[in-house]
Amino acid sequence: ETGVTQSPTHLIKTRGQQVTLRCSSQSGHNTVSWYQQALGQGPQFIFQYYREEENGRGNFPPRFSGLQFPNYSSELNVNALELDDSALYLCASSLPTSERETQYFGPGTRLLVL
Amino acid sequence: AQKITQTQPGMFVQEKEAVTLDCTYDTSDQSYGLFWYKQPSSGEMIFLIYQGSYDEQNATEGRYSLNFQKARKSANLVISASQLGDSAMYFCAMREDYYGNNRLAFGKGNQVVVIP
Repeated sequence: ETGVTQSPTHLIKTRGQQVTLRCSSQSGHNTVSWYQQALGQGPQFIFQYYREEENGRGNFPPRFSGLQFPNYSSELNVNALELDDSALYLCASSLPTSERETQYFGPGTRLLVL
Repeated sequence: AQKITQTQPGMFVQEKEAVTLDCTYDTSDQSYGLFWYKQPSSGEMIFLIYQGSYDEQNATEGRYSLNFQKARKSANLVISASQLGDSAMYFCAMREDYYGNNRLAFGKGNQVVVIP
């Protein structure tokens, strides 16, 4: 158990809808990163939040957006859902105080877009 | 360009035997970190082991060890004394920036099935 939680665990949406995924970071961690993992692939970096500010973004369109709250929990919002957005969405928390800065992952949210 | 390459097909391993999972990486940075994660069918990514680019010793964590060959840009994971619970996908990942932008680049993973 990493202490990172995500909700919901599963979600079914239709094309064009909007979705919000939530993540609670491990106690004391102030950085949250989001990844998208398509079936049969490794996770792809979406973006990272550090102390409520976006701190780096991967190659994802603006309809992928996020927030981080004062308690360091985070949301991932996806607008205008497309079929290709169907994936496992993983969040990871970390504490950037050392060279290692290991990211600890939550159980993920499985999103299916029909 | 793909930064992490994991090309082995799915592997079947006899219980109690050792297994080596290959990972090669591509970076022009001198400072970087390499990670291995395990992903069971439940989906959660479980951190296994870390190797820093300046570490002179190969990393070890219990039954996991990392065979780090910097000149060849490889970071192979060795799992000793395989157990049935080791059946999972294994991902190699690299972090290129410290303290600024801690993003991980993952490979496509290696499937391991441990048989009794």
